[in-house]
Amino acid sequence: DAKTTQPNSMESNEEEPVHLPCNHSTISGTDYIHWYRQLPSQGPEYVIHGLTSNVNNRMASLAIAEDRKSSTLILHRATLRDAAVYYCILRSLTGNQFYFGTGTSLTVIP
Amino acid sequence: EAGVVQSPRYKIIEKKQPVAFWCNPISGHNTLYWYLQNLGQGPELLIRYENEEAVDDSQLPKDRFSAERLKGVDSTLKIQPAELGDSAVYLCASSLGLTTEAFFGQGTRLTVV
Repeated sequence: DAKTTQPNSMESNEEEPVHLPCNHSTISGTDYIHWYRQLPSQGPEYVIHGLTSNVNNRMASLAIAEDRKSSTLILHRATLRDAAVYYCILRSLTGNQFYFGTGTSLTVIP
Repeated sequence: EAGVVQSPRYKIIEKKQPVAFWCNPISGHNTLYWYLQNLGQGPELLIRYENEEAVDDSQLPKDRFSAERLKGVDSTLKIQPAELGDSAVYLCASSLGLTTEAFFGQGTRLTVV
């Protein structure tokens, strides 16, 4: 399965936008890009996913580069409840598994 | 609708004892995953089921770990005998299809003493 690269940690001020980057240079044409987040002592929570086009939902936006080798998760206004570890995952349709890296630990500063 | 339900939430056992974890996926989800998560690490796949068939168990330590998914619904993950290094969080997840998201349970935190 193709792997992803994310910064270990990021900080954001409360109520400001946050852009979480992810590199996936070995992505294949059928790999979906998924984002999950995990709060302490919780299971991972789905945030958003996409294939080629940018995606928006109530939680966040996903911007996918034209060559699909990178993507950015955008939280439009960070709140303290958004402090979590964010995982960028490539899901292969052939392997049908979610490969987690170490993720980005987001700290939101009041 | 209820999410993925796991039990127990916490378990403490002595080494060499057996332990079992139970998972009830979301109704209608054909795919079920068991993941292991060590402290400070991302989850790692142990086994994946498509209905009642284990289609990917390459990462499951078969000398001590076993799993089953009877009738393609609930699943049980067992460790026998447990070792100190098995202390971790065991996560269950389910998904409906290849292009949809997965839903995770709260996990079972196992401590082996």
